[in-house]
Amino acid sequence: DAGVIQSPRHEVTEMGQEVTLRCKLISGHNSLFWYRQTMMRGLELLIYFNNNVPIDDSGMPEDRFSAKMPNASFSTLKIQPSEPRDSAVYFCASSLVSTEAFFGQGTRLTVV
Amino acid sequence: AQSVTQPDIHITVSEGASLELRCNYSYGATPYLFWYVQSPGQGLQLLLKYFSGDTLVQGIKGFEAEFKRSQSSFNLRKPSVHWSDAAEYFCAVTTGGGNKLTFGTGTQLKVEL
Repeated sequence: DAGVIQSPRHEVTEMGQEVTLRCKLISGHNSLFWYRQTMMRGLELLIYFNNNVPIDDSGMPEDRFSAKMPNASFSTLKIQPSEPRDSAVYFCASSLVSTEAFFGQGTRLTVV
Repeated sequence: AQSVTQPDIHITVSEGASLELRCNYSYGATPYLFWYVQSPGQGLQLLLKYFSGDTLVQGIKGFEAEFKRSQSSFNLRKPSVHWSDAAEYFCAVTTGGGNKLTFGTGTQLKVEL
């Protein structure tokens, strides 16, 4: 298996634009986590899904952020409109319930 | 709610010296515990995990960790550090059953040659 695949690896966008980050889970995994990493706040859990259902989205900073799992192997994290303070590295991770999470390489987002 | 504390933000050791990174968790029942390592510009890689059983667990790259319930700790150790171990190390906890994975703030390890 190729592991968790995130795209794009780097994204530079202008403030106010919509940004969509993508994540492909490891085949057979049924839990999906979205994290944001910054120097100031470290690793923050934004949202996680079990079996395509959002379980806890309390970490989603604002209504500008939304995440979906249209199917069991794919997820998107959308920011609309984007702001400079959204600049961070966004990671997704997948796991089988109650086992270790495997991380993607991350998407470095820069909002100018 | 579960939480993880890594009290050391930065640690510097000499190559060949031993290493211990501290991790304390807060959770009422037996947690599932993990250590991850992150090299610059990379994602997080699992070093080792504890679910149950033997409280001393072995991981990759010569790392080990010991679960101590009485101290709510899961410290990471390596007897002899290599320069390539320089990275950021994260302790994480989940309560299992499909619950969220919570990370500590990380410890940045620097290795002096």
